Amino acid sequence: SQELEQSPQSLIVQEGKNLTINCTSSKTLYGLYWYKQKYGEGLIFLMMLQKGGEEKSHEKITAKLDEKKQQSSLHITASQPSHAGIYLCGAALGGSQGNLIFGKGTKLSVKP
Amino acid sequence: KAGVTQTPRYLIKTRGQQVTLSCSPISGHRSVSWYQQTPGQGLQFLFEYFSETQRNKGNFPGRFSGRQFSNSRSEMNVSTLELGDSALYLCASSGGLALGSNEQFFGPGTRLTVL
Repeated sequence: SQELEQSPQSLIVQEGKNLTINCTSSKTLYGLYWYKQKYGEGLIFLMMLQKGGEEKSHEKITAKLDEKKQQSSLHITASQPSHAGIYLCGAALGGSQGNLIFGKGTKLSVKP
Repeated sequence: KAGVTQTPRYLIKTRGQQVTLSCSPISGHRSVSWYQQTPGQGLQFLFEYFSETQRNKGNFPGRFSGRQFSNSRSEMNVSTLELGDSALYLCASSGGLALGSNEQFFGPGTRLTVL
């Protein structure tokens, strides 16, 4: 079974709408990373969360790590076409920051 | 500060050949990790190098190998290429310090096509 489950797998939203992407693990998360990827390109670092209850924001994107450190959510406020892409969560389940396990990704499309 | 760079960006090889990919981490970063991304399997960890030593290894056959130089630059090699090795190979760098204290930054990737 997948160690990191992302939901939904894909999302189509109207420009200006809010959305949430979830990342759930069956194990405790030691460092949860959110990345954005344009098709066929490298990953763009968004945020890293380490402590249970931690919340970080960058522009219109907010990420949280729940208290039990087994789930994270990524929330985008007032979505724009520039937010479109694939969002990936990665986690250091193995205990090493250099060995990340990734979810399958959430493909986001924003309709103008 | 320059980001993670990878060369070449695109590569076409035939089955049975070998290939070497290069990664230059962010200046000051000592940890370099390699990942393979395919549509079917997603992003999978290959290996991590820290201070010229392999620190972690993923579940890939021995045809996949790597090394890190004293300046932290890293190379990965794939021998006896198979069609299934066609993928986007991504390199990531971080400071490599204690767990939970480092952000990991990715390069643009090398797109390998095996014919």
